Amino acid sequence: EDKVVQSPLSLVVHEGDTVTLNCSYEVTNFRSLLWYKQEKKAPTFLFMLTSSGIEKKSGRLSSILDKKELSSILNITATQTGDSAIYLCAVEIQGAQKLVFGQGTRLTINP
Amino acid sequence: KAGVTQTPRYLIKTRGQQVTLSCSPISGHRSVSWYQQTPGQGLQFLFEYFSETQRNKGNFPGRFSGRQFSNSRSEMNVSTLELGDSALYLCASSRQDRSSYNEQFFGPGTRLTVL
Repeated sequence: EDKVVQSPLSLVVHEGDTVTLNCSYEVTNFRSLLWYKQEKKAPTFLFMLTSSGIEKKSGRLSSILDKKELSSILNITATQTGDSAIYLCAVEIQGAQKLVFGQGTRLTINP
Repeated sequence: KAGVTQTPRYLIKTRGQQVTLSCSPISGHRSVSWYQQTPGQGLQFLFEYFSETQRNKGNFPGRFSGRQFSNSRSEMNVSTLELGDSALYLCASSRQDRSSYNEQFFGPGTRLTVL
């Protein structure tokens, strides 16, 4: 069974800290890995990582895919209170047209 | 460009009733996927439609069904509602070009409460 596991499930840090969120996967046929941020309702797209694009960066956020270790990390530097959200990792299954999601990491940034 | 829209945003039903949820994808997107999100199970895949055809289905009972129209809009139906169907139902759309990777973009969701 396809499985995506995120850690930690919950994280509380102070504004300005750097955080690393982890995602590991065991799937039958990997196509891509995606990170989403969910604050109130709709998950908003952050990054997509593939075999041909294993590292992405946008402002204070960056992500790396390790296909050998079947995992990915999402780094957020100089955190702000607006970064407080649930961060979701999902793996797209080749040929199945579906995303398998991890449980999410609830990140809380205290001022 | 308008995002994915879902209607209604909130819905309260009683056990045994049925419900229909609607999703309009981003213009030009031909694939629509549906997900159920609950605190206990997280986000789980329901089904995916492309060009009016269901291409994949998750592990949900037959009470959950859907369809897609020629304009790519999609509806999801749940019959004989149970208390456990209370959840946030999310719709996502993507272009689904075979030649490239396709991000899925989510709508705001429909919060269904079954009493």
